[in-house]
Amino acid sequence: DGGITQSPKYLFRKEGQNVTLSCEQNLNHDAMYWYRQDPGQGLRLIYYSQIVNDFQKGDIAEGYSVSREKKESFPLTVTSAQKNPTAFYLCASSRGTGRTEAFFGQGTRLTVV
Amino acid sequence: QQQVKQSPQSLIVQKGGISIINCAYENTAFDYFPWYQQFPGKGPALLIAIRPDVSEKKEGRFTISFNKSAKQFSLHIMDSQPGDSATYFCAASMKSGYSTLTFGKGTMLLVSP
Repeated sequence: DGGITQSPKYLFRKEGQNVTLSCEQNLNHDAMYWYRQDPGQGLRLIYYSQIVNDFQKGDIAEGYSVSREKKESFPLTVTSAQKNPTAFYLCASSRGTGRTEAFFGQGTRLTVV
Repeated sequence: QQQVKQSPQSLIVQKGGISIINCAYENTAFDYFPWYQQFPGKGPALLIAIRPDVSEKKEGRFTISFNKSAKQFSLHIMDSQPGDSATYFCAASMKSGYSTLTFGKGTMLLVSP
């Protein structure tokens, strides 16, 4: 089945650690996105990529980094510089940007312990 | 700066009633307005979308009404069912390249049996 796979579903991080969230898609989509979801805040864009080896900052990129070495993969690293990393992280993909449907993964819940 | 304002934040409707969620936008360059539905612990999924060349779009029990002059659009759920209980997000984007979806903050809908 085509879709987006995020792993792990739950992740615990100690203060000062970097962690990497995985996102893989087999929809042959060019564009991929990372969103952060907090209660009452909606979905806020962290980073997005329209093509391999290229990515753009979203509204809340500080403390995060990404790479896009393969079309299918768009991992997100939450660095120790992110002051409040506890959140629900959603990866999405679409055929392109603009007027196209975004397909979302099931999310990763990150908790700082 | 929030570009898409969504209301209400939460909504309780009796089974069989009509659920109405409203969104307003500021950027007149937006030309694609989707609604996403999210169940707890899952990623959002596209429910229905509209472009500004029509004032209404209906898919089953779900209808989008669009008012270009007022820069507002709304989702109507007719004959609401307990299975419709979820969080609904409106969003907007532009046709131009590098445009990404801007989401409202979400409405938590509870349909009581």
